[in-house]
Amino acid sequence: KAGVTQTPRYLIKTRGQQVTLSCSPISGHRSVSWYQQTPGQGLQFLFEYFSETQRNKGNFPGRFSGRQFSNSRSEMNVSTLELGDSALYLCASSLRGSQSSGANVLTFGAGSRLTVL
Amino acid sequence: DAKTTQPNSMESNEEEPVHLPCNHSTISGTDYIHWYRQLPSQGPEYVIHGLTSNVNNRMASLAIAEDRKSSTLILHRATLRDAAVYYCILRDFNYGQNFVFGPGTRLSVLP
Repeated sequence: KAGVTQTPRYLIKTRGQQVTLSCSPISGHRSVSWYQQTPGQGLQFLFEYFSETQRNKGNFPGRFSGRQFSNSRSEMNVSTLELGDSALYLCASSLRGSQSSGANVLTFGAGSRLTVL
Repeated sequence: DAKTTQPNSMESNEEEPVHLPCNHSTISGTDYIHWYRQLPSQGPEYVIHGLTSNVNNRMASLAIAEDRKSSTLILHRATLRDAAVYYCILRDFNYGQNFVFGPGTRLSVLP
């Protein structure tokens, strides 16, 4: 079956702009979570959506937002981009949400690499 | 979140077994131990997970200490493709936490 698909794979923006990233989960998966990966901070949790509801949110400013659609596809948006937002943004899907079981397994996409100039 | 400690880096020769250690001395009785790895230019991928007993799958084996304060990921025959960053993560069964990734162990495989 198809894996987690993230689009676009690469993009370049300038400071002050906004960006929207898309994630299509594995068919049947209802949970989508987003992570930011930078060389300095490593992998950091942004937020999780399950059945169109945000279930958890990491420690990121309000410029970072997301949503999930009825077909479980998710988007994340970053407004007023800053240089420090340059990162690899990873989406992961799972059958169940993080609050269901410690055995829940994530499947990650290849990521969207954002460069802010 | 319960914490894990892993060596920053390890080296292995191709076709030899690799034992990647993880210490988690503050693990609770309901924490699952998960391992993920991230190959260059890719997102992390699931490797294996367990609660109390040792686990085997087609990718690796997970050996869990009797007191559960440490675990070891075993790659039985390392290949060049196994060069990656390996993350050991604890997930709480009762409270459902998001995955907290530490710096992991960077494994180099020498031909």
